[in-house]
Amino acid sequence: DIQMTQSPSSLSASVGDRVTITCRASQGISNYFAWYQQKPGKAPKLLIYAASTLQSGVPSRFSGSGSGTDFTLTISSLQPEDVATYYCQKYNSAPPLTFGGGTKVEIK
Amino acid sequence: EVQLVESGGGLVQPGGSLRLSCAASGFTVSNNYMGWVRQAPGKGLEWVSVIYSGGNTYYADSVKGRFTISRHNSKNTLYLQMNSLRAEDTAVYYCAAASGGGGLFDYWGQGTLVTVSS
Repeated sequence: DIQMTQSPSSLSASVGDRVTITCRASQGISNYFAWYQQKPGKAPKLLIYAASTLQSGVPSRFSGSGSGTDFTLTISSLQPEDVATYYCQKYNSAPPLTFGGGTKVEIK
Repeated sequence: EVQLVESGGGLVQPGGSLRLSCAASGFTVSNNYMGWVRQAPGKGLEWVSVIYSGGNTYYADSVKGRFTISRHNSKNTLYLQMNSLRAEDTAVYYCAAASGGGGLFDYWGQGTLVTVSS
């Protein structure tokens, strides 16, 4: 099975900072790759799919890049409402649908 | 507007059973790729099971042989029958829908807590 490794596991940054989270797949997954945001006590929310396509309604400060095995989520200017845990996921027609371990983002 | 509402969680003893339900509105369960994802307290997301629109089902190794995913088309409801429950099954269970298929979950329920403890 393909493993998804996220880093860092947590980070603290100031409002307005540029934040980058990475995820590495143990095998190539083309661009069948998504990012989810989960705020405390809430269900996950789809942010980005196909590695770089923003889900409708997601602020443009979020962006995704990568292909194959290495992927990145960038928040160009961190806002207080972005405090959350972010998960990567590989998806395609073949389970298992593996999630990364998560990155907890906090405000410094 | 799509809504997924889970129910059926609660406290159950080890070895017991529980059935979770996910009632959908604004969305047709039988026509879409649906799944269950769980989250143990303080832990990350873990995929549990999916059912394709065609009826094929898949399970994580950790629940294979113990959990069964199914749907009731006329009730527009997804189910997860959980048997032989273990302490490590304790988690919030989310129902999720992939309107575009392929396990890309764009709709999620609010979750229901299952606690396995004596």
